[in-house]
Amino acid sequence: EAQVTQNPRYLITVTGKKLTVTCSQNMNHEYMSWYRQDPGLGLRQIYYSMNVEVTDKGDVPEGYKVSRKEKRNFPLILESPSPNQTSLYFCASSLFTSGSNEQFFGPGTRLTVL
Amino acid sequence: AQKVTQAQTEISVVEKEDVTLDCVYETRDTTYYLFWYKQPPSGELVFLIRRNSFDEQNEISGRYSWNFQKSTSSFNFTITASQVVDSAVYFCALSEAVRNRDDKIIFGKGTRFHILP
Repeated sequence: EAQVTQNPRYLITVTGKKLTVTCSQNMNHEYMSWYRQDPGLGLRQIYYSMNVEVTDKGDVPEGYKVSRKEKRNFPLILESPSPNQTSLYFCASSLFTSGSNEQFFGPGTRLTVL
Repeated sequence: AQKVTQAQTEISVVEKEDVTLDCVYETRDTTYYLFWYKQPPSGELVFLIRRNSFDEQNEISGRYSWNFQKSTSSFNFTITASQVVDSAVYFCALSEAVRNRDDKIIFGKGTRFHILP
């Protein structure tokens, strides 16, 4: 089944404890992206990747890192999480980098930073 | 700069009413794409429709229809005879034609749509 998977789905952690949220897609998509969703703010792009070893900042990259060593994986790393990073996170992918392609979203990861 | 505005934060209607969700966008490009996504209470994001800037034909899919008007930079979404299954947050999004390293996909803040009991 074609899909985008994220793990974990739920995570409660404490300030400063490094964490990684994994994202994987099995559709051979070139483009992958991370978003955070916050009440009243909608979806905001954190980082995106147009292909392997190519990553760029979105609108809210501060406090996050990503890597794209393989086409299928695009992990989101929080080196020192803070409470303002408590949010719902979505990974997404699309076939090509052309803006015409719709995105396929993962199921979301709800992160709470205490 | 790109911008997507969904002015309606929340809409509530009774079942079987028609409702239109507004989406107004700004872009400097002549070639761009507009999208609608649905986020039901279960939380996943589901693609509904894509429209390119050169195709102003309205689209109908069952009870859903979309009205794209370049003159007013709007891409509105109408649900006819709304049902409980339509309850969701709906997002409008804008993307330019070729994603280069300066282009981003911009989402509106979403409109939460409720069916009143």
